Amino acid sequence: RKEVEQDPGPFNVPEGATVAFNCTYSNSASQSFFWYRQDCRKEPKLLMSVYSSGNEDGRFTAQLNRASQYISLLIRDSKLSDSATYLCAVNMNTGFQKLVFGTGTRLLVSP
Amino acid sequence: EPEVTQTPSHQVTQMGQEVILRCVPISNHLYFYWYRQILGQKVEFLVSFYNNEISEKSEIFDDQFSVERPDGSNFTLKIRSTKLEDSAMYFCARHRGDSGNTIYFGEGSWLTVV
Repeated sequence: RKEVEQDPGPFNVPEGATVAFNCTYSNSASQSFFWYRQDCRKEPKLLMSVYSSGNEDGRFTAQLNRASQYISLLIRDSKLSDSATYLCAVNMNTGFQKLVFGTGTRLLVSP
Repeated sequence: EPEVTQTPSHQVTQMGQEVILRCVPISNHLYFYWYRQILGQKVEFLVSFYNNEISEKSEIFDDQFSVERPDGSNFTLKIRSTKLEDSAMYFCARHRGDSGNTIYFGEGSWLTVV
């Protein structure tokens, strides 16, 4: 089983749609979880940290399910500018940030 | 504004040559990281660097690679005797080590080995 696994997509959705991505991780000792957004040939940019209680930032909601070892990202009211690859990242350390990334899920939002 | 700046943004080098990629922190960061991403593949951890020492490195980070902070400011990744498969985007990242536990990436250095 891969350490961090994501559906590569692409997810093709119309503007205004709600879309959800899941990411599973294999190591139950994982400490912290993140969603990054990556545009083509650019650096990953932090979208959200993911907390056990779930967290929301505008149209974006992230959830963590430790029992089933997955995290999710929900995007409401999709915008054209949301088109990007969404990377799930998991850190197993408590100090140093040795992130293990998934391959990413590609989202295409169309007019 | 990026958290760290990286140079060069793009470098083309011949196989077998040595390459030095540089990372300049915006402020006084403690933890530095190098990650790489081969085109079409996932972002992979290479090495973490704290207090002028390597704290952890991945299997990828073999003797071909080295990191240092020569002048207390710039943080460099040296790749000796480059191979075609070293072609990738190399990202420097920082982490302040304070209450936040997230890391932020520089804009990357795109290395093409020909």
